[in-house]
Amino acid sequence: ETGVTQTPRHLVMGMTNKKSLKCEQHLGHNAMYWYKQSAKKPLELMFVYNFKEQTENNSVPSRFSPECPNSSHLFLHLHTLQPEDSALYLCASSPQGNVMNTEAFFGQGTRLTVV
Amino acid sequence: SQQGEEDPQALSIQEGENATMNCSYKTSINNLQWYRQNSGRGLVHLILIRSNEREKHSGRLRVTLDTSKKSSSLLITASRAADTASYFCATVSNQAGTALIFGKGTTLSVSS
Repeated sequence: ETGVTQTPRHLVMGMTNKKSLKCEQHLGHNAMYWYKQSAKKPLELMFVYNFKEQTENNSVPSRFSPECPNSSHLFLHLHTLQPEDSALYLCASSPQGNVMNTEAFFGQGTRLTVV
Repeated sequence: SQQGEEDPQALSIQEGENATMNCSYKTSINNLQWYRQNSGRGLVHLILIRSNEREKHSGRLRVTLDTSKKSSSLLITASRAADTASYFCATVSNQAGTALIFGKGTTLSVSS
């Protein structure tokens, strides 16, 4: 248990559905991240939030829409996804985001399957 | 964008043997971190080494960093079956050091 909780753990959705992934941390961290992990590919950084402000969008398609209402919660809203978006989506947090000079804490991930 | 590149991609050893994994990266870094991932689960931090450090130890783990060669190695001594997992190096750059950039990882299998 790292202190970062992701829900749901598994999600199957159709290409026309709208769903949301949730990430929650009560570690007092100020930076939160979304990563995508596909089979046989490196973890891809998607979004970075620092003090609730989005500081990085790593050329992610608009069908992925992040939301950070406060420093403890991070959402990833999904709509009109493609089968190639099936992957493990990992959320992480760290104390600050100016320079990541400490470790990151990861959630267990949401296994997403788009059918 | 990918920064680290681990080598080998897969490693199979017997319990009690040592396992060495290597990581190469491209740009200047603030620090380099190693993480472990059990199948389909989240990542767990193992060790962080800063750019001005050359070697670090944590239990059975030993990490080295050579900034002139832009490479790092992770040594696991006296391996156990429970060490079976994927191991990733991740770098924090000096230019935009707000997030970890990961390599593809090394899959380690330790048989008893």
